[in-house]
Amino acid sequence: QKEVEQDPGPLSVPEGAIVSLNCTYSNSAFQYFMWYRQYSRKGPELLMYTYSSGNKEDGRFTAQVDKSSKYISLFIRDSQPSDSATYLCALRGEGFQKLVFGTGTRLLVSP
Amino acid sequence: SQTIHQWPATLVQPVGSPLSLECTVEGTSNPNLYWYRQAAGRGLQLLFYSVGIGQISSEVPQNLSASRPQDRQFILSSKKLLLSDSGFYLCAWTWDSSTDTQYFGPGTRLTVL
Repeated sequence: QKEVEQDPGPLSVPEGAIVSLNCTYSNSAFQYFMWYRQYSRKGPELLMYTYSSGNKEDGRFTAQVDKSSKYISLFIRDSQPSDSATYLCALRGEGFQKLVFGTGTRLLVSP
Repeated sequence: SQTIHQWPATLVQPVGSPLSLECTVEGTSNPNLYWYRQAAGRGLQLLFYSVGIGQISSEVPQNLSASRPQDRQFILSSKKLLLSDSGFYLCAWTWDSSTDTQYFGPGTRLTVL
């Protein structure tokens, strides 16, 4: 079983839709949860960072962590064509440990 | 503000040739530095990380090596490239070891023929 599972997509939605992107994980020691956005042929860009459980909101983006279910989500409201990219989740435990990345979900937002 | 640079952006090399990719960070000091490889349809694979000058930790045994000759400079090298070394190479840095929130460079796309 992979440490982090992420549906590769592509997920196709119309402009203005609410998008839900998800990752499941198996290691209960993960405490730090991040979401990165990666445009084609570019480096990943940090979008959201959450410690432990709960929600965090930043503009149109909301990150949600459910540690009891080992499930994290990224919601995008009022999606735009410029949101079309691959979204990677990244998780880490306490102490100096390496980040574990999901393989990414490709999102396509059509005008 | 901090910025991270990688070069070259694109590289096509024959099998058996040497490799040198460079990464530099501006606007910070004592960063942790990382080299990742991203293959098509696969996640990010951590290759090396460094917590200081001359300090390199290897995650995956292979024909690649890394060096950190200066505080904000990280170099990825190979003496002889293999076909399997093709991929998108990303350098990343963090200043906050407690969260390890990493920031990535623009990447180098390497094709080995």
